[in-house]
Amino acid sequence: GAVVSQHPSWVICKSGTSVKIECRSLDFQATTMFWYRQFPKQSLMLMATSNEGSKATYEQGVEKDKFLINHASLTLSTLTVTSAHPEDSSFYICSARGGVGTDTQYFGPGTRLTVL
Amino acid sequence: GQQLNQSPQSMFIQEGEDVSMNCTSSSIFNTWLWYKQDPGEGPVLLIALYKAGELTSNGRLTAQFGITRKDSFLNISASIPSDVGIYFCAGYYNQGGKLIFGQGTELSVKP
Repeated sequence: GAVVSQHPSWVICKSGTSVKIECRSLDFQATTMFWYRQFPKQSLMLMATSNEGSKATYEQGVEKDKFLINHASLTLSTLTVTSAHPEDSSFYICSARGGVGTDTQYFGPGTRLTVL
Repeated sequence: GQQLNQSPQSMFIQEGEDVSMNCTSSSIFNTWLWYKQDPGEGPVLLIALYKAGELTSNGRLTAQFGITRKDSFLNISASIPSDVGIYFCAGYYNQGGKLIFGQGTELSVKP
């Protein structure tokens, strides 16, 4: 299957700092990328959808100014958690999908964010 | 919003046993995907189904796209300890739309 990478795999930061997470599709061009958040023992919660070159579409209840998403190329999307607080600690997972007619979504390995 | 009901929520089985889990939806889906997630990792795609009635295998795993297009099942035969993890069904009810997830089935395998 297609490969999606995420970096870093884990990060610990102080409250008030910003953290950037990168998501790359390594062997296909991802016209659409998705960012999810997952709490322990729960399913994935979609945060936002981004298409290359356009603004991300955020799900209801997700603050766009807090979770900045950039999808600058067909293989890279970034999620920046701004002014992080302990309640932002979570497992963040990105996903990528190819062109029109390609519905299969491939997921990255996730990033564990811990805010102290 | 759209929901997928996945069952069972958890299973505790003996190594070598077969396992079956399923998902149902209130709407017609046009794609069903089954993923496995290990602790601390992202979901890994196991099987993708695109047509009603489609039956697809991947090693010891078999999944089917229900004929009504409102359900799908995943079977694992002769389970082994490394099958342990959380299995998610997911699907689309319209092309290019959001991927809808089931609640997950946590599988434990006793050696």
